[in-house]
Amino acid sequence: EDQVTQSPEALRLQEGESSSLNCSYTVSGLRGLFWYRQDPGKGPEFLFTLYSAGEEKEKERLKATLTKKESFLHITAPKPEDSATYLCAVQASAGYSTLTFGKGTMLLVSP
Amino acid sequence: DAGITQSPRYKITETGRQVTLMCHQTWSHSYMFWYRQDLGHGLRLIYYSAAADITDKGEVPDGYVVSRSKTENFPLTLESATRSQTSVYFCASKGQVNQPQHFGDGTRLSIL
Repeated sequence: EDQVTQSPEALRLQEGESSSLNCSYTVSGLRGLFWYRQDPGKGPEFLFTLYSAGEEKEKERLKATLTKKESFLHITAPKPEDSATYLCAVQASAGYSTLTFGKGTMLLVSP
Repeated sequence: DAGITQSPRYKITETGRQVTLMCHQTWSHSYMFWYRQDLGHGLRLIYYSAAADITDKGEVPDGYVVSRSKTENFPLTLESATRSQTSVYFCASKGQVNQPQHFGDGTRLSIL
């Protein structure tokens, strides 16, 4: 059974204070690892897909990295508008391309 | 650019009633998905569809029914609602196997 564990559950940062969110996974063959951002009252918004160990993707203050067992979402010099819940999900090689989601990390950035 | 829309956004109903949540996408995506999101559980897959007239169960399908007669629509029906089905329901779609899923803004369903 595919499993995704995200840590920490919640994180509070000061504006400009860089940090990382962790996503540990077990999957029977990884097709892709996905990061999403979710704002209150909204659906998840796609951020990145990572396909193989060593791959990195960047978007503004966010950088996602991937190893064989985990992924990190690095947030550099965050701003209050980066406050959201960040979700990680894995897609296995076998099967019909469904995703298994972690429970998310709730990030709050204070000015 | 409508994308993916869910209706209604909010719904209150009583136990034992039938309720249908609607999902419509304008991208002609092949794949569509229904999730529920609950505190402590995260997003859990209810049903999904790879194409019109093809549906399959996800992690938590009991008590739910889906259909997909047209590519753009994927309604989710609770045939006899129970309080445990109180949740926020999200619909998603994607075009190809390796593409990311894109989500609607959800339906908040309360069953009294």
